[in-house]
Amino acid sequence: KAGVTQTPRYLIKTRGQQVTLSCSPISGHRSVSWYQQTPGQGLQFLFEYFSETQRNKGNFPGRFSGRQFSNSRSEMNVSTLELGDSALYLCASSLAGTSYNEQFFGPGTRLTVL
Amino acid sequence: GENVEQHPSTLSVQEGDSAVIKCTYSDSASNYFPWYKQELGKGPQLIIDIRSNVGEKKDQRIAVTLNKTAKHFSLHITETQPEDSAVYFCAASIDTDKLIFGTGTRLQVFP
Repeated sequence: KAGVTQTPRYLIKTRGQQVTLSCSPISGHRSVSWYQQTPGQGLQFLFEYFSETQRNKGNFPGRFSGRQFSNSRSEMNVSTLELGDSALYLCASSLAGTSYNEQFFGPGTRLTVL
Repeated sequence: GENVEQHPSTLSVQEGDSAVIKCTYSDSASNYFPWYKQELGKGPQLIIDIRSNVGEKKDQRIAVTLNKTAKHFSLHITETQPEDSAVYFCAASIDTDKLIFGTGTRLQVFP
């Protein structure tokens, strides 16, 4: 069974631009979560989608948004990029939406903002 | 909000020795505690998890213990091998897929 895939793996943008990252969950998984990983702040929860609805949200500004499609694939968007948005963005998928489930992470997208 | 503290931040052991990483969580409603291993250039990989109705869980050389009263949980790796070298993260959640992560422990196993 294929794991979680994320595209692109690396991205370089300049301040003020916007970016869209993509995540394909493990087949059959319906929940997709996004995390930001930086050396200073560690792994921080961005948001979680289940059945095309945002079910949980972390403490990030509105510049960070996401969506989920009917096939469970998810995208996240960051508008008006800032230098501090440089990070590894990780996507995780889990089987179902009830209570806690094992989450499986993708390899991440490394975003560099210049 | 919920917070997870993790210690130590770095840990160096000789091959064959044991390694212990400890985490403390703040929200007593937390009921799911996974541990992840992250190697360079890769995403975190789930290695073991424990639910709040269990005090200990073991999987070969890896074990996790949970003390709900003290709000502590620990990862124990026995007979460490060089391939165990990585960054380990603990996490906690409350009935959701929102994981609150600890700050990570860089484990180095020297041959």
